[in-house]
Order: sequence, then C-alpha cells, then structure tokens
Amino acid sequence: DAGVIQSPRHEVTEMGQEVTLRCKPISGHNSLFWYRQTMMRGLELLIYFNNNVPIDDSGMPEDRFSAKMPNASFSTLKIQPSEPRDSAVYFCASTQTGITYEQYFGPGTRLTVT
Amino acid sequence: GQNIDQPTEMTATEGAIVQINCTYQTSGFNGLFWYQQHAGEAPTFLSYNVLDGLEEKGRFSSFLSRSKGYSYLLLKELQMKDSASYLCAVRFQRAGNMLTFGGGTRLMVKP
Repeated sequence: DAGVIQSPRHEVTEMGQEVTLRCKPISGHNSLFWYRQTMMRGLELLIYFNNNVPIDDSGMPEDRFSAKMPNASFSTLKIQPSEPRDSAVYFCASTQTGITYEQYFGPGTRLTVT
Repeated sequence: GQNIDQPTEMTATEGAIVQINCTYQTSGFNGLFWYQQHAGEAPTFLSYNVLDGLEEKGRFSSFLSRSKGYSYLLLKELQMKDSASYLCAVRFQRAGNMLTFGGGTRLMVKP
C-alpha cells in the first residue's frame, strides 16, 4: 500500500499567490482530513470529508481557504490569496470509518509564504 | 471545550522508562489515540484505548482511565530513536470521525 500521498512536498510562494495542495488518500478509506501544524498552535484540524462530502469545516481559518474532494481518491486544499501567516506544514490523513478510527497521515506539505 | 493536556517537554536517559501523561474532558469520550512524530515527519499511530486498562505493544504501553479522563504512554528500555513528539488525541462522540489532538510532548532521550 502506497499510503497517503501528498504533493507538493515543499512549496515556497509569494504573498498574494494562489496555492493548491493535493492529497490522495489510501484506497478504500472513506474519510479524509486536512490538518495544519505550526509550532505555536500544534496540529489543527481544518476540514474533514466523509464519503467525499464535507462534514465539518469549522477549522478553516477564513474564506481564503477552500477544500474539495471531487472523488474518493483525490482532494485539494486551496489558499487564495496566500499570506505569510499561512506558512505551516499541511497534513492530509485518511481512515476507514467503522473498521478503525486510526488516521493515517501523509508526509505533509511544507508551505512557506514570503 | 475539549481541552487535552499533556506536558510540553520531557527528558529521559537511554535504557530508562518514561511515562507521558494526558488528561482530557470526559464528556462524550469515545476513544484515545497516541501518535509518535519525529521532527520533520508525519505523525504515526502507536496505540488506541477505548476501555479502561493497559494495552501493551512491545516496549510501548498505553493506559486509560475513562472515569478520571486520564491516559499515559509508557516507553520502556528507551532508545535514542525514541526522541520525538508524542501526541495524545481523543475522539468525542459528537465529533464523528474527528480527533482532537493535544499539543504534544517533546521527548528527548539522552545517552
């Protein structure tokens, strides 16, 4: 099993630019989570999907952030426009509801906004 | 709120035993997870407790007391490679599949 796949692994962009992070969950998993991790705030849940439907997006910081899951094998997190305070590591995780609630994390995308 | 509290940092000696504590609000509790995260890497699953008692997996054990809202992760025969952050995460009944993570405990293992 390839595990959760995220791209890019590193992204450096200028303030005001659009950033798109991508995630492919583990095949067969039906829940997908986007997290943000910083030293100051730790690991924060941004949004989670169940069967491709957004269930809880209360963690999304503001309207500049949006997430989609067009099918069971792909999700995107978009930031437009990006700001320096968005610099963080963004993790995607997936799990199979009802079998185990253990979440499997992708390697993360380290985003730097200058 | 659903505060999850764990110490920020701990230091221990190679070969020793260390216990990392985690406390949480008991209302709606539906399972507790421990994750290990090495610097620059993703969190990886260590253990899951939903019933009271001790779960043992090799050098690592995790304990849960539901009535006290308390868990600990016990690491035995510490190795240098155990230096990492250890994250406690709780699943609450009204939160579906979501996990609420504590701030993590950074463990430094010294020779």
